[in-house]
This record gives sequence, structure tokens and C-alpha cells, in this order.
Amino acid sequence: QSALTQPPSVSGAPGQRVTISCTGSSSNVGAGYEVHWYQRLPGTAPKVLIYGDTNRPSGVSDRFSGSKSGTSASLAISGLQAEDEADYFCQSYDSSLSGEVFGTGTEVTVL
Amino acid sequence: QVHLQESGPGVVKPSQTLSLTCTVSGDSISSGTSYWSWVRQPAGKGLEWIGRIYASGNTNYNPSLKSRLTILVDTSKNQFSLRLNSLTAADTAIYYCARVGLRPPWLYDSWGQGTLVTVSS
Repeated sequence: QSALTQPPSVSGAPGQRVTISCTGSSSNVGAGYEVHWYQRLPGTAPKVLIYGDTNRPSGVSDRFSGSKSGTSASLAISGLQAEDEADYFCQSYDSSLSGEVFGTGTEVTVL
Repeated sequence: QVHLQESGPGVVKPSQTLSLTCTVSGDSISSGTSYWSWVRQPAGKGLEWIGRIYASGNTNYNPSLKSRLTILVDTSKNQFSLRLNSLTAADTAIYYCARVGLRPPWLYDSWGQGTLVTVSS
């Protein structure tokens, strides 16, 4: 089962900047399929943070930003706040699966 | 605003069949502007795409589950459902239903809160 690889956890002090990597392969991210990022707060439905590699939906703080290069993508959170404590996962499409593929998920902790 | 809600049993016995339903409100499945997916997450593991269905009834399934899986749509009730048979402990997971927009492609723009399914005797 193909999956996108993320670090299990990242942490930072309030106000700091953290980044979450999302590493794929030539059949998904590297093939040019767009990467989307989601935030999942405990007990709630996942929410779109970044779509189409770099775009923020209206209402999402500009502290969140996305980038992509080659077979990897990244989510950056600047000015880290306590409310950012959540699970974050990336997602793309995989041509070998003919379906969507998800990241392994990253838990963000604000120290 | 679209809302999705999963419903179904919390516990299913091994070898039996899991049936889950996703009820959609705030959008019409038959509009054809989206497709509708199931995703699951076993404890301690990442999310896994299960399959999708279009308003037409056309489906695409994860090859690893295809032999055990059926996804159906009932546009009259604005619901879609999942049936997974021959369950084992490996099927224990949180199951999510979601709406997937066509533009941008493959974006899961609305999710249910998820329902925990435990396979246990």
C-alpha cells in the first residue's frame, strides 16, 4: 500500500516556525499530482488547510503555507500558537493505485 | 454548508460483513459536481483510501480491498454506503466518509467526523 511519508511528530515553542514534510514517489507527488493538506483537531472532522500545493482556502490563517518540489511537499506553520496543536496530513493522487493516497500523519505539539 | 455523518455498528464479529452509511446534507449527491469516498485509519497508522462512488453509481475501489468491498449510492435518500465482508482484526479502524470535489481534483473538501469500527468476537 503506497503512502506518503511524514514525520510522526514535530514540536515548537509559541511563535516559532515548524515545517512538516510529505515525501511521495514518481507515481504520485513526483508525477505532478497536486498535494493537499488537512488539519484534524481531536474529535473533529478533518479540515482543508492547503489545496493545490500552495493555496489557502478562505478563512485559513496565512500562517499556514505549502510548497512542493520533486517528489516532496511541505507544510509550514509560522508564529506557532497553542490552537495549532493537531494532527496534520497530506494527500495526493497515485496513478499506480488509481486512487487517492494519504500521508502517515504528523502530530504538532506546542511546547 | 455540507455535512456528512457516518452511521453503523461499532463492533462487528470476525468473518462478518460491515455495513456503514453516510448521510449527506447541504449538498445533493445527484448534482454530479463531486464524488463520494470512504477512507479509514487503523490505530497508529495512516489514512487509507477505500473507494469512491459517483452519482451515476460508477465506482473505483482500492485494489487491496476490491474483492471484499461494495460501495452503493441511494440518491433518493442522499446517502452512500459501504459493505466490507470477511472482516478480520486488520479492518478495525476509524472509518470516514467524505466529499471529493472535481476542481481542484482529488480534494477532500468535506468529511464526516468518523466512526470507530472494532472487529472482535
